[in-house]
Amino acid sequence: AQSVAQPEDQVNVAEGNPLTVKCTYSVSGNPYLFWYVQYPNRGLQFLLKYITGDNLVKGSYGFEAEFNKSQTSFHLKKPSALVSDSALYFCAVRDRGSNSGYALNFGKGTSLLVTP
Amino acid sequence: EAQVTQNPRYLITVTGKKLTVTCSQNMNHEYMSWYRQDPGLGLRQIYYSMNVEVTDKGDVPEGYKVSRKEKRNFPLILESPSPNQTSLYFCASSKAGTSYEQYFGPGTRLTVT
Repeated sequence: AQSVAQPEDQVNVAEGNPLTVKCTYSVSGNPYLFWYVQYPNRGLQFLLKYITGDNLVKGSYGFEAEFNKSQTSFHLKKPSALVSDSALYFCAVRDRGSNSGYALNFGKGTSLLVTP
Repeated sequence: EAQVTQNPRYLITVTGKKLTVTCSQNMNHEYMSWYRQDPGLGLRQIYYSMNVEVTDKGDVPEGYKVSRKEKRNFPLILESPSPNQTSLYFCASSKAGTSYEQYFGPGTRLTVT
């Protein structure tokens, strides 16, 4: 079985400060890991993914994430937050050996609020 | 523009009245999927399709049907909607393969009274 935990329902950060949105995962095999962002009344937009290779992955809008196998974590980070980054963020995992139809297992989401 | 489209975007219906939510993608993706999003539960997969005429159940398939007669379309059918199917529904598509990200439609907000 695979699962994803996003321990914080909400993260608040001041504009210009660094932000971190946490994600831990559990899979039986090796994971593929994804981050998505959802703006109000919009669908999910892909931000970045970890497949293999460098543990630090860079994605859209200045976001990056660090894969840590020993801690089974894939935290989303950005060096300097913008008010426009305020949105709902989802971490998702897929076991690369899974035969469950490429299903993504999503966390419950973390609401990021960036204040001016 | 590469995109996944869904219709309708908003729908209010009554218990038992059959409805269909359409989904279409223009990226020639083999894989398509339906999710529902509920507060505090994240997204849960309803059904998926690996290719034309190949569909299978996800985590929460009860009360739903799908079909995949054409590669670009993957409609979600609720034969007899019930209030517990009130939710936000997303269609997604991707290339075949576990390393590919999925592209999501804008969502359909369904209310069943």
